[in-house]
Amino acid sequence: DIQMTQSPSTLSASVGDRVTITCRASQSISTWLAWYRQTPGKAPQLLIFMASSLQSGVPSRFSGSGSGTEFTLTISGLQPDDFATYYCQQYSSYPITFGPGTKVDIK
Amino acid sequence: QVHLVESGGGVVQPGTSLRLSCAASGFTFSSFGMHWVRQAPGKGLEWVAVTSNDETNKYYGDSVKGRFTISRDNSKQTVYLQMNSLRAEDTAVYYCARKGRYCTGGECFPKDHIDSWGQGTLVIVSS
Repeated sequence: DIQMTQSPSTLSASVGDRVTITCRASQSISTWLAWYRQTPGKAPQLLIFMASSLQSGVPSRFSGSGSGTEFTLTISGLQPDDFATYYCQQYSSYPITFGPGTKVDIK
Repeated sequence: QVHLVESGGGVVQPGTSLRLSCAASGFTFSSFGMHWVRQAPGKGLEWVAVTSNDETNKYYGDSVKGRFTISRDNSKQTVYLQMNSLRAEDTAVYYCARKGRYCTGGECFPKDHIDSWGQGTLVIVSS
């Protein structure tokens, strides 16, 4: 199985900050990677798929990059709705696996 | 607008069975693969199972393989998760979710990112 790791596990930031979250895969997954945002009590929301493709309706402050085993999610100009937990997911092979999550909280 | 509504959750004893349902609307259900993903209280996301649009291909997570079965009824626009031999560690919110697509050159291909999620149904396995 492909193991996914994320760093940092927690990140403290302020509204307007630029933040970057890193996701690493235990083996190459090409660009078969997605990012999700989840706020407490809600279902996750797809932000990025195929490592860098912005999902329709998602604000352009979200961007993704990377390929192979290392990926990043960048939020340019953190908004109040962005204080949430972010998960990466690989879908290169089954079983599909998620990273452990990165919680972005208010500094 | 994609709408996914899960039902069937509840409190059950270890070793028993439960079937979850997910009613879909707002899209051509028979054209999309469907996933189940779960989240234990206070924990991260765990992928459970996926079925292709026509049930030709089904895959399962390691922790549920042999105990859970995913199925669908395209005439009812519903996907199911049959859960047998339930354990305490199966306690979680179970989300029904739609398989994503990648479109290029006028063609679209199913991919396993998840573009829509239901609100979830809580399953508690406890004696």
